[in-house]
Amino acid sequence: DVKVTQSSRYLVKRTGEKVFLECVQDMDHENMFWYRQDPGLGLRLIYFSYDVKMKEKGDIPEGYSVSREKKERFSLILESASTNQTSMYLCASSSPRQGWSNQPQHFGDGTRLSIL
Amino acid sequence: AQTVTQSQPEMSVQEAETVTLSCTYDTSESDYYLFWYKQPPSRQMILVIRQEAYKQQNATENRFSVNFQKAAKSFSLKISDSQLGDAAMYFCAYAANFGNEKLTFGTGTRLTIIP
Repeated sequence: DVKVTQSSRYLVKRTGEKVFLECVQDMDHENMFWYRQDPGLGLRLIYFSYDVKMKEKGDIPEGYSVSREKKERFSLILESASTNQTSMYLCASSSPRQGWSNQPQHFGDGTRLSIL
Repeated sequence: AQTVTQSQPEMSVQEAETVTLSCTYDTSESDYYLFWYKQPPSRQMILVIRQEAYKQQNATENRFSVNFQKAAKSFSLKISDSQLGDAAMYFCAYAANFGNEKLTFGTGTRLTIIP
């Protein structure tokens, strides 16, 4: 079965800390995505990557960076965490080889991050 | 830019009844996909149903069906014979059928099933 694994289900950090959220997929997917989910705002795309070492900004990239050194792993980095980054973070992956008619984005279970 | 609007933050339905969740979208593209995702309390996003814009026939998946009105840019989800396990957040999403496969999501509708 396909699997997207996020390293932590819950995470509590302090303002100013550097925070790493890790995501690993076992489906050999080219594309990986980081979303932020907030009540009343839905899911908003932070960054995505369509290949190793490639990245593109999504709709809300400010305050975040990403790293993709290996195809299966996509990391989201909060360089200096702030309280307004308290949120649920969802990772997803997909493959352009399969197209929208066959394969949707596969999501991880999310990381609920609290910044104190 | 594409936008997806879900105007019903919360809905409730009696078990075994039928409920319709609304979604409208805005795009200048002619070739795209629309999706409904379900997010239960376990948080796992589950694809419920998808619709290709070029297909006139509305998609159906068991108890789930859509009413796709391309000219009106409307994409509603109908759940028949509602079950307790249908309780979840439901997100409508859009993707253009080219490029980097970005999904644009609506703000979600929380569906409660009343026993």
